[in-house]
Order: sequence, then structure tokens, then C-alpha cells
Amino acid sequence: AQKVTQAQTEISVVEKEDVTLDCVYETRDTTYYLFWYKQPPSGELVFLIRRNSFDEQNEISGRYSWNFQKSTSSFNFTITASQVVDSAVYFCALSVRNDYKLSFGAGTTVTVRA
Amino acid sequence: GAVVSQHPSRVICKSGTSVKIECRSLDFQATTMFWYRQFPKQSLMLMATSNEGSKATYEQGVEKDKFLINHASLTLSTLTVTSAHPEDSSFYICSARDPQGIYNEQFFGPGTRLTVL
Repeated sequence: AQKVTQAQTEISVVEKEDVTLDCVYETRDTTYYLFWYKQPPSGELVFLIRRNSFDEQNEISGRYSWNFQKSTSSFNFTITASQVVDSAVYFCALSVRNDYKLSFGAGTTVTVRA
Repeated sequence: GAVVSQHPSRVICKSGTSVKIECRSLDFQATTMFWYRQFPKQSLMLMATSNEGSKATYEQGVEKDKFLINHASLTLSTLTVTSAHPEDSSFYICSARDPQGIYNEQFFGPGTRLTVL
């Protein structure tokens, strides 16, 4: 069975600060896929980033970056220079090859204050 | 990108009535769709996997006679909440698997907020 843990329940920052969201996952499969989603107050899930288990290269996409470390089973996500519009609930999710189900973490509520 | 729609976006009904929620893939064929339920301030919980032309697979603890799922075509899956009660009030989200994807990616609908009075 797969498990995703987001230990941070809520994070509050002032605009322009960086925000790092932690995600730890558990799976016995060697091929798996990790995702980050954003859920603003409207409720619609917005896809942010994905990574597969064979690609540990960390990248930056605009104000988003991620740190994938298989050795610690972590897939952390950073928002640089946060903005008020970044206020939302952020979910980390995991699926494994041949099973398309997504296992979601509990979510982290990010509040960016002006 | 692929688009998934849900209808209605919001529904209020009386206790005891049945409510049908539609999930459509607008620009691709989805052989597999998923239904999630989300209570306030909680995460998404998978209810069932809907496969076109076959019976849905329900997660443990989800009553299949309560939550009827039909996936009659490659672009439409429906979830019917039968004899709804106030405890069924929740945010219901569907998703469709990207058949061309290599990352097991799912495209999510905008969700349906159900309130049972």
C-alpha cells in the first residue's frame, strides 16, 4: 500500500517570503510517480508538478521548484517569492505503475499575507 | 491540455432524494475515471474506479448500493448518490486518466458541492 505524509498542517508567510512544503512517501514499488496539486478556495485541483521515480533531477519552473530525494523518500516543493494568489491547500500525491490510483497526503494550507 | 467537466457544480437537495453527478472528458477518451470525496478541511479520498463498459471498483468502506457509478461511454461517467442524507454532504471530484500519459496522470474536474438538507 502507498502512503503520503504531509506533516505541515498550516503555513503562514508574508508576501515575498519563500515557502517549502514537505512530503514524505512510502511505497514498495520501484516505479512510481509523484505529484503536487494546488487547491484554491474554488475547490478545483490544479496540477503543478510531477516526477517519476527514475528521475531525481531537481528543477525550477518559474517560482516553483522541487527537491526529490529517494534516499529519504521525500518530495518537497518550494514556492519562491510567494504571492497572495498562492494561498491555497497544497496536496502531494503518489501513484505506482500498473495501478492508476492516486494516494493523497493530508494537505498543507498555505496562507500568504500581504 | 485535457479538460474534464462536472455537472452540476453545486446541488442542494432534500434528505431521501437521489442526486446524479456527471463527469465528462471533453477532448479525449477516458477508459478509466475516478470518483473522490472530500470533506471540509480534509484530503481527497478515493471512492471508486470507474471503467468504461464494466462495473466500478469500490474502495473499502464505500457502499456501492449507495453510490451508483455508471461509465457507459468513453467520455461520460456518472455518480448517483441514492437516498441522500445530510452526512452525504461533501465535495465530490471526478478525474480521468490520461490514456496517452506515461506518468499515470489524472485530469480533474472542477468538483460538485452536494448539500443535503
